[in-house]
Amino acid sequence: NAGVTQTPKFRVLKTGQSMTLLCAQDMNHEYMYWYRQDPGMGLRLIHYSVGEGTTAKGEVPDGYNVSRLKKQNFLLGLESAAPSQTSVYFCASSYYTGSEAFFGQGTRLTVV
Amino acid sequence: GENVEQHPSTLSVQEGDSAVIKCTYSDSASNYFPWYKQELGKGPQLIIDIRSNVGEKKDQRIAVTLNKTAKHFSLHITETQPEDSAVYFCAASSGSGDKLTFGTGTRLAVRP
Repeated sequence: NAGVTQTPKFRVLKTGQSMTLLCAQDMNHEYMYWYRQDPGMGLRLIHYSVGEGTTAKGEVPDGYNVSRLKKQNFLLGLESAAPSQTSVYFCASSYYTGSEAFFGQGTRLTVV
Repeated sequence: GENVEQHPSTLSVQEGDSAVIKCTYSDSASNYFPWYKQELGKGPQLIIDIRSNVGEKKDQRIAVTLNKTAKHFSLHITETQPEDSAVYFCAASSGSGDKLTFGTGTRLAVRP
């Protein structure tokens, strides 16, 4: 049982480049989330989805876009990377908000 | 939206002692309060949760208490062991029930 899988695990981007982070879950969860984790700031919600074909903005959505074309996948895109987007990104999924959220292993992104 | 404050940011205890981490939340409609443990290089994992219709919940050495009137909840770890060393996050569901808001985390160090 793979749970939540994030790819890639590490990436270095130059300022202005674009990339897509992929999150895949095999638990048939409706809810999926993208968080970023920065020192001293905890986990901040970027975007989330409450079901296939839906997306919504979280606390820090600027500079990011998402898509949920298939129930098991949630993609996070950076159209023009900035150094301020250097962070560790976590994807999570759950049946609903009041149930356990399962996290991926994280993606460490550095923008130079 | 929901705002969750967590204290302390760092905590060092002697093995065998107890550790207490406290969180406050702002949205009186929040009704689900999980606690996550994050070990180095890994994603957060749920260790215990509590719902608003319960004042206290215990699981072996871990307990969580909830005071809805004061809008705060706490994690208690008794008989701490070196493997308890990690970062702990509290969280609260939003009033609309569609996302979790996390605290800023507590780095717990258990000294052998």
